[in-house]
Amino acid sequence: GNSVTQMEGPVTLSEEAFLTINCTYTATGYPSLFWYVQYPGEGLQLLLKATKADDKGSNKGFEATYRKETTSFHLEKGSVQVSDSAVYFCALRGWGTDKLIFGTGTRLQVFP
Amino acid sequence: NAGVTQTPKFRVLKTGQSMTLLCAQDMNHEYMYWYRQDPGMGLRLIHYSVGEGTTAKGEVPDGYNVSRLKKQNFLLGLESAAPSQTSVYFCASSPTQTGPGELFFGEGSRLTVL
Repeated sequence: GNSVTQMEGPVTLSEEAFLTINCTYTATGYPSLFWYVQYPGEGLQLLLKATKADDKGSNKGFEATYRKETTSFHLEKGSVQVSDSAVYFCALRGWGTDKLIFGTGTRLQVFP
Repeated sequence: NAGVTQTPKFRVLKTGQSMTLLCAQDMNHEYMYWYRQDPGMGLRLIHYSVGEGTTAKGEVPDGYNVSRLKKQNFLLGLESAAPSQTSVYFCASSPTQTGPGELFFGEGSRLTVL
């Protein structure tokens, strides 16, 4: 079946550091891939998405590239801010299906 | 814009009690979902609905029931609560049937079962 694997957290960084959160997936066909972010006390919200191989999703300085050859969708940001502290979820929507499958989430803590 | 609204936001139950969580969306979305979030396990799908009057089981449906009598509402019921159902519950909705649809989430409902 379809699944998503994320690196375990927490990830602790200083402000302006480079961020990478790894995400790999298992799926048949051509899934769509997503990154969601959950700020403290809030629900999840979509951060970025990619729908086909080699697509790059980007938003708020975050980027992720859909790599079919390595079945990966790693999240990156060149310079993190304290306000980026949150839990980040990688997710997959299988081709022709109705449901999103989420990874376990990675907590990011950014200190000034 | 209200978006997706969940009630109640907090609830404490005793084992064996019943309760209903209400999810309401004002975006005219067809699809609605109930997830639970537990530490170290991410979000797991409980039940979902692809339209008014329909429901389907997700990954962890046991101990829960749902109803979608109106397009804008999706109810999650616990008939006999158990401590294992202590969790944060999230409702979400989606406008699209398949393909790269975005889910819109509520703020969550924290349930504690003693």
